[in-house]
Amino acid sequence: EPEVTQTPSHQVTQMGQEVILRCVPISNHLYFYWYRQILGQKVEFLVSFYNNEISEKSEIFDDQFSVERPDGSNFTLKIRSTKLEDSAMYFCASSGLIDNEQFFGPGTRLTVL
Amino acid sequence: SQQGEEDPQALSIQEGENATMNCSYKTSINNLQWYRQNSGRGLVHLILIRSNEREKHSGRLRVTLDTSKKSSSLLITASRAADTASYFCATDGSTGGFKTIFGAGTRLFVKA
Repeated sequence: EPEVTQTPSHQVTQMGQEVILRCVPISNHLYFYWYRQILGQKVEFLVSFYNNEISEKSEIFDDQFSVERPDGSNFTLKIRSTKLEDSAMYFCASSGLIDNEQFFGPGTRLTVL
Repeated sequence: SQQGEEDPQALSIQEGENATMNCSYKTSINNLQWYRQNSGRGLVHLILIRSNEREKHSGRLRVTLDTSKKSSSLLITASRAADTASYFCATDGSTGGFKTIFGAGTRLFVKA
C-alpha cells in the first residue's frame, strides 16, 4: 500500500540554524501539506501546495518558512533560522483530490536547542 | 475562530463499551474528517463525511454530521484496548480543501 514517507525521523539543531525536512508524498497525489504539532497540543496547519505553488498558508508560516517540490517526488519544508519554539513534530500529508482524505507521513520530530 | 473543537477532552471506558466523541465547528464546510493518532505517532485517516451526507459507517465506526448545528459525532462500537488513542476531527473550513483545521482532540482510553 502506498504511503507518505518523511526523513529524518528526528532532527536536532541549534537555534538559528537552517533545517530542511523532507517528505515523499504518494506518487499520484497532487495536493501536499505541512502541519506541525507541538508536544501535547493539537495539529496545526502550516501550508498547502498545489501545481507548484502555495495554495494556502497559516499565520504560523512566516518568512522563516518555505516549501519546495524540487523534483517529481520530494516535498520539502525549510526553516531558515530555527527558534526554540519551532520544536515540534512536523507532519507532511498528501491527497489525490482537493476534497479527499489526506494521507499523513509518520512525522519528523524537530528539537531546537 | 476555533474550528473543529472536540468534546470530551478525555474519555475512559471499559473494553466492549461504546465511545462517543463530538466535534463542533464554526464556518461552513465541504467535508469533515476524523483521524486517529497513537501517542507520538502519525495520523491515521478514519473516515470522511461530506457536507451533503448525514451519516456514514466504516466497520465499528459511525460518523454523523449535522450541518445545521455545525457538529459531528464519532461513535466507536464494542471498543477494544487497541482503540486507545487520540481522535481528532478536521474540517476544510470556508477555503475548501486547501486549509485543514484540526480540533484539540479527544483522548480515549479503553481499559481491558
